[in-house]
Amino acid sequence: DTAVSQTPKYLVTQMGNDKSIKCEQNLGHDTMYWYKQDSKKFLKIMFSYNNKELIINETVPNRFSPKSPDKAHLNLHINSLELGDSAVYFCASSRKTGALNTEAFFGQGTRLTVV
Amino acid sequence: KQEVTQIPAALSVPEGENLVLNCSFTDSAIYNLQWFRQDPGKGLTSLLLIQSSQREQTSGRLNASLDKSSGRSTLYIAASQPGDSATYLCALNTGANSKLTFGKGITLSVRP
Repeated sequence: DTAVSQTPKYLVTQMGNDKSIKCEQNLGHDTMYWYKQDSKKFLKIMFSYNNKELIINETVPNRFSPKSPDKAHLNLHINSLELGDSAVYFCASSRKTGALNTEAFFGQGTRLTVV
Repeated sequence: KQEVTQIPAALSVPEGENLVLNCSFTDSAIYNLQWFRQDPGKGLTSLLLIQSSQREQTSGRLNASLDKSSGRSTLYIAASQPGDSATYLCALNTGANSKLTFGKGITLSVRP
């Protein structure tokens, strides 16, 4: 009964390839996020969707494209992978935005290695 | 722009010790603050959430405090155990879009 699940857990791929990471939450939350944890373990937001609508799009190369087919899923597609894309990507969800008690729940992460 | 600082980056203590992890932030206009735990190669586990109107929250051996006026939060761990060894991250929710701004974390090692 995993709350926020991501697949795959590990992804090793060559430069120039296109890959996708999938995320699903069974918490009934309205909002989902993608965060990136770099090699120095620093976590930073990339995207956020609320009820399938994009609400946060930080300064991320347009090779990264999130897609939310429904509010329980938020996938991340990456085109033309580069060495610098190697990182751990975390999916998260929360009940709603803009509330004092909005609590975020994170998935287990996807470790992407570009070789 | 919100900046979150956690110092020191690493801490090693003997088992049984009570300890305090610090988190400081620059913008006091926050919705809430969350403390997370991250084990090596794992995801983030939410430990405590303190709303901006609250001063502290407790869960078991953990107690988190929030002082917005001074831009500080602390996570108190009582009677530390080797199983508490992990990286502890604080994150601030400062906007209506509930984006979290993270500190770089404190890696705690509890020696048996």
